[in-house]
Amino acid sequence: GENVEQHPSTLSVQEGDSAVIKCTYSDSASNYFPWYKQELGKRPQLIIDIRSNVGEKKDQRIAVTLNKTAKHFSLHITETQPEDSAVYFCAASGILGQNFVFGPGTRLSVLP
Amino acid sequence: KAGVTQTPRYLIKTRGQQVTLSCSPISGHRSVSWYQQTPGQGLQFLFEYFSETQRNKGNFPGRFSGRQFSNSRSEMNVSTLELGDSALYLCASSFGPGLDEQFFGPGTRLTVL
Repeated sequence: GENVEQHPSTLSVQEGDSAVIKCTYSDSASNYFPWYKQELGKRPQLIIDIRSNVGEKKDQRIAVTLNKTAKHFSLHITETQPEDSAVYFCAASGILGQNFVFGPGTRLSVLP
Repeated sequence: KAGVTQTPRYLIKTRGQQVTLSCSPISGHRSVSWYQQTPGQGLQFLFEYFSETQRNKGNFPGRFSGRQFSNSRSEMNVSTLELGDSALYLCASSFGPGLDEQFFGPGTRLTVL
């Protein structure tokens, strides 16, 4: 089955700096890759996603890149703000009915 | 449009008891997935239902079971509760399985004493 690894497990950055979180997956059939943000005490919420026919997607300060050959995808947050502090989960899923498999999460702390 | 709802929000049980958790998906969504979230363990997949059929099952013992009704509402049941079952149980709904955004409910916080 699918296995998703995520690095780093914790990340601290200064406000205004960029943050990058990387994920690798094992199943080459996976073709949907969402990123979820979970603030303390709240439910996970989708912040951006990418499908296998696209190499990069951007939404304001957030971008995701996908390398299907290497089976890895990354989340990039620019100009970080304190409200970006949360746990971020990547996931991989496929059209063939594989369930969503989540990475273990990255705790991002943005220091003022 | 109303979001995903879960009941109850909090639950306290003792070892050996059983528990049933309920999830109502967003209207029109036919796929419901369940996850167990514990500190340090991330989101562990339990099972996924689509059109009343279990499509996928995670690596959990048979004490964990679920079902989905014709209105897409889903329930999960945990029998013979153990201390290690204490966790936040999240359900997520999507229009279809595999390629759609999953919308999470607020979760049910289960504490087993």
